[in-house]
Amino acid sequence: DGGITQSPKYLFRKEGQNVTLSCEQNLNHDAMYWYRQDPGQGLRLIYYSQIVNDFQKGDIAEGYSVSREKKESFPLTVTSAQKNPTAFYLCASSILREGRNTEAFFGQGTRLTVV
Amino acid sequence: KNEVEQSPQNLTAQEGEFITINCSYSVGISALHWLQQHPGGGIVSLFMLSSGKKKHGRLIATINIQEKHSSLHITASHPRDSAVYICAVRGSARQLTFGSGTQLTVLP
Repeated sequence: DGGITQSPKYLFRKEGQNVTLSCEQNLNHDAMYWYRQDPGQGLRLIYYSQIVNDFQKGDIAEGYSVSREKKESFPLTVTSAQKNPTAFYLCASSILREGRNTEAFFGQGTRLTVV
Repeated sequence: KNEVEQSPQNLTAQEGEFITINCSYSVGISALHWLQQHPGGGIVSLFMLSSGKKKHGRLIATINIQEKHSSLHITASHPRDSAVYICAVRGSARQLTFGSGTQLTVLP
């Protein structure tokens, strides 16, 4: 079955450590996204990539980094520079058709807790 | 003011009731999405709309482009419909902007 896989589901890290969240998709989607969700707020875009080896900052990119070396994979690193990293992180992907995004597919999310 | 506003924020209904969740947006859009987020956090796409109305089972989504408003209706609600329902719009930048969600609880 095609889909998006995020791992792990729960992640605990000590303050000051970098941590990398995995996102893999086998949908052959061009575009991939990372969102952050905080209680009572809508999802906010961290980074997105529309093609391999290229990515763009979203609304809240500070303290995060990404790579897109393969079409299937878009890992997110939460660095020690991120002031408030504890949150729920969602990865998504979509097809780019004639330059327009289509329906988005979401992963199951990773809940990161920094202690 | 948020670009996407949902109402109500919280909704409790009895099983069998007809439910309506509203979404208003302030920007021009190419599409509007309704998403469902389960307690575990995973999100499922319910509908993508650019005009008119779509129906899937007991779920109906409508959009009025002129009024910049969309509604999600659930007929014959069931406790398994309990979830957070999120409206998201895709604007000219081709990125999604999300509402803060409506927490729906359907009681047996």
